[in-house]
Amino acid sequence: QQQVKQSPQSLIVQKGGISIINCAYENTAFDYFPWYQQFPGKGPALLIAIRPDVSEKKEGRFTISFNKSAKQFSLHIMDSQPGDSATYFCAASIGGGNTPLVFGKGTRLSVIA
Amino acid sequence: GAVVSQHPSRVICKSGTSVKIECRSLDFQATTMFWYRQFPKQSLMLMATSNEGSKATYEQGVEKDKFLINHASLTLSTLTVTSAHPEDSSFYICSATSSSWVYNEQFFGPGTRLTVL
Repeated sequence: QQQVKQSPQSLIVQKGGISIINCAYENTAFDYFPWYQQFPGKGPALLIAIRPDVSEKKEGRFTISFNKSAKQFSLHIMDSQPGDSATYFCAASIGGGNTPLVFGKGTRLSVIA
Repeated sequence: GAVVSQHPSRVICKSGTSVKIECRSLDFQATTMFWYRQFPKQSLMLMATSNEGSKATYEQGVEKDKFLINHASLTLSTLTVTSAHPEDSSFYICSATSSSWVYNEQFFGPGTRLTVL
């Protein structure tokens, strides 16, 4: 049973456009929701994370929107650049990073010029 | 963010040999480390969780006698793949976190590509 469902599986966005990746979770005990960016052959890098006490968090061009009642959260990448082309994973855990993260299946983003 | 290193970055070995992969937290004390396995174009699959000084907790289906995990210090965890076979070929990634952090973020190492011939 997949606890974190991520969509779309792949995404193509024009340079300068907005990339949107969505995740839905089932376990209401989750209280930590990070997003990771992974380039081929590299480990995932923590991009941005949110907790359920806020509905939005912004860091530079990256924004997480969180909807607790719908059990959904999304990553928005503004002004997408070719260098943003990577695989993005959403994740969730209980009690922060001390407990294992449950990952979505990933979204392969391609930003084309 | 915090820095986690892995060594080696890639290793090729013959079937039947054992391979050790090191995961180090370079600028913090990692009270908990996790080991993941990732197949091409797939998500990360958690193999085990290790807390410093304790035995690792393995996920269902992961053979603890084949994948030996040691977390002997607050900066080092090792994964030993014993009697490796071609089906063990994969990308192995560790992550680490500290209980002293407010949000207990997990930081990942760069990964180790294991190829078993």
